[in-house]
Amino acid sequence: DAGVIQSPRHEVTEMGQEVTLRCKPISGHDYLFWYRQTMMRGLELLIYFNNNVPIDDSGMPEDRFSAKMPNASFSTLKIQPSEPRDSAVYFCASSLVNQPQHFGDGTRLSIL
Amino acid sequence: GENVEQHPSTLSVQEGDSAVIKCTYSDSASNYFPWYKQELGKGPQLIIDIRSNVGEKKDQRIAVTLNKTAKHFSLHITETQPEDSAVYFCAAVDHGNDMRFGAGTRLTVKP
Repeated sequence: DAGVIQSPRHEVTEMGQEVTLRCKPISGHDYLFWYRQTMMRGLELLIYFNNNVPIDDSGMPEDRFSAKMPNASFSTLKIQPSEPRDSAVYFCASSLVNQPQHFGDGTRLSIL
Repeated sequence: GENVEQHPSTLSVQEGDSAVIKCTYSDSASNYFPWYKQELGKGPQLIIDIRSNVGEKKDQRIAVTLNKTAKHFSLHITETQPEDSAVYFCAAVDHGNDMRFGAGTRLTVKP
């Protein structure tokens, strides 16, 4: 079975540019999560969806961050405009209700 | 909200020895406790989990214990091997699917 698929694996861009991260969850999973990982703050939950509906976005740091899930097999996390402090590894995970979360291999984002 | 503390932050053991990582949580409503292993350049991978109605669970060389009264849980790895070297994260889920992670433990197994 294919796991959670994230793209791109690496992204380097200049500050002020728009960044879009993509995620394809495991087929059949009805929960999707976006996390950010940094050395200083560890793994932080940004937002999660249930059946394509955002349930909790309290972890989204600022209005510059937005996430969408237009259908059950695709989600995006967008940063506009990007800033150097947004540099981190961003993970997407998916799960069934009350079941373990399965993570993708992440997008390493560098904002210059 | 839930707060998860994890210790130690780094752990170095000799191949064949045991490794123990400990976590505490704050929300008594937490009922699910997964452990993840993260290798360099990869996402966290689930290695074992335990639910609040169970005190201990074992899978080959890995075991997890849970003390609900004290609100702490531990990961035990026996007969460690160099390929066990990674960063390990504990987590607690207090309701629905809202999972909070510990800060991680970098385990190094020296051959």
